[in-house]
Amino acid sequence: AQKVTQAQTEISVVEKEDVTLDCVYETRDTTYYLFWYKQPPSGELVFLIRRNSFDEQNEISGRYSWNFQKSTSSFNFTITASQVVDSAVYFCALRLTGNQFYFGTGTSLTVIP
Amino acid sequence: DTGVSQNPRHKITKRGQNVTFRCDPISEHNRLYWYRQTLGQGPEFLTYFQNEAQLEKSRLLSDRFSAERPKGSFSTLEIQRTEQGDSAMYLCASKTGTTSQEQFFGPGTRLTVL
Repeated sequence: AQKVTQAQTEISVVEKEDVTLDCVYETRDTTYYLFWYKQPPSGELVFLIRRNSFDEQNEISGRYSWNFQKSTSSFNFTITASQVVDSAVYFCALRLTGNQFYFGTGTSLTVIP
Repeated sequence: DTGVSQNPRHKITKRGQNVTFRCDPISEHNRLYWYRQTLGQGPEFLTYFQNEAQLEKSRLLSDRFSAERPKGSFSTLEIQRTEQGDSAMYLCASKTGTTSQEQFFGPGTRLTVL
């Protein structure tokens, strides 16, 4: 069975602090894709990043960075120097070679000014 | 606006009534998905279209739910005899046929069943 676990339900940080959002996935497939989406209060899911199972290279995009480790089935997301605008619910998702996406339950991040 | 659009944005209905939602995907996207999201949860897959063909349906999609994509462009999701448990955000997403490409989501239709 496929499953995505985001153990952190809610996180609060003070502005400019770094924060890491955890994501652990389960699948027996060898080919799969991992995603992070942001859902701000307006409700629309915004794509942040995609990784395929054969690419474990970590990625940095501005203040965002992602750490993909197949050995621990984790795909963690770090925001450096957090800002109030980062406040949102963040979802990790898994897609296999079929078309279903499996989403985690999300982590609600609040950045306090 | 070239993103995914959904109408209406909000729908309030009485239990037992039928409702229909519309999704207009990004024009060059041949794949279209419907999801349901309840409070505090991630989106749950409902169904998927490739062009006009409905290729996958979740067990969440009871016989009161039906989705169509008649010309391979916009899609409709109908819920018949609504129940209070149907209250949720209904999200539509689209993507190209390329295997690895991400889905682009619409703003959703929030359904409240009284």
